[in-house]
Amino acid sequence: EIALTQSPATLSLSPGERGTLSCRASQSVSSYLAWYQQKPGQAPRLLIYDASNRATGIPARFSGSGSGTDFTLTISSLEPEDFAVYYCQQRRNWPPTFGQGTKVDI
Amino acid sequence: EVQLVESGGGLVQPGGSLRLSCAASGFTFSSYNMNWVRQAPGKGLDWVSYISSSSSTIYYADSVKGRFTISRDNAKNSLYLQMSSLRDEDTAVYYCTRAGVAREFDYWGQGTLVTVSS
Repeated sequence: EIALTQSPATLSLSPGERGTLSCRASQSVSSYLAWYQQKPGQAPRLLIYDASNRATGIPARFSGSGSGTDFTLTISSLEPEDFAVYYCQQRRNWPPTFGQGTKVDI
Repeated sequence: EVQLVESGGGLVQPGGSLRLSCAASGFTFSSYNMNWVRQAPGKGLDWVSYISSSSSTIYYADSVKGRFTISRDNAKNSLYLQMSSLRDEDTAVYYCTRAGVAREFDYWGQGTLVTVSS
């Protein structure tokens, strides 16, 4: 099973700042990595798939990069609605696995 | 608009059974693979099970293999999860998710809470 480690656990930022979240895989997942956003009491929402492809309706301030074992989700300028928990997920091997999450708070 | 609506959650004793349902609308259900993903209270996300569009391929997480059964009825646009021999550690919100073209979880239901407790 591929383990995903996200860092930092918590990222404290202000609106308008740039947020950089990391996800490291225990072995190569090629580009088969997705990112999700989850707000309190809500279901997760897909942001990025295959490392760098924005999902339908996702604002351009969200971008993903990386391949192999190291990946980054960047939020170029944080909006108030972006404060949430972010998860990465790999689909390279079964079972699909998730990172433990990064909380972005004010 | 894609909609996934779960139902069937509730309180059940350890060792008991429960059947979750997911009603899909807004897309051609029979063309998409589907998954169940769960989230224990205050914890992260855990994939539970996968079923292909024709039900020909099914996978389970090791933690639920032999106890849970995933199925679907394409005529009714519905996905199911039959859960038996439930344990305390199965307590979670269970989400029905659609698998997108890249096998990502592209749409999620609102979730249904399963609580296993005596």
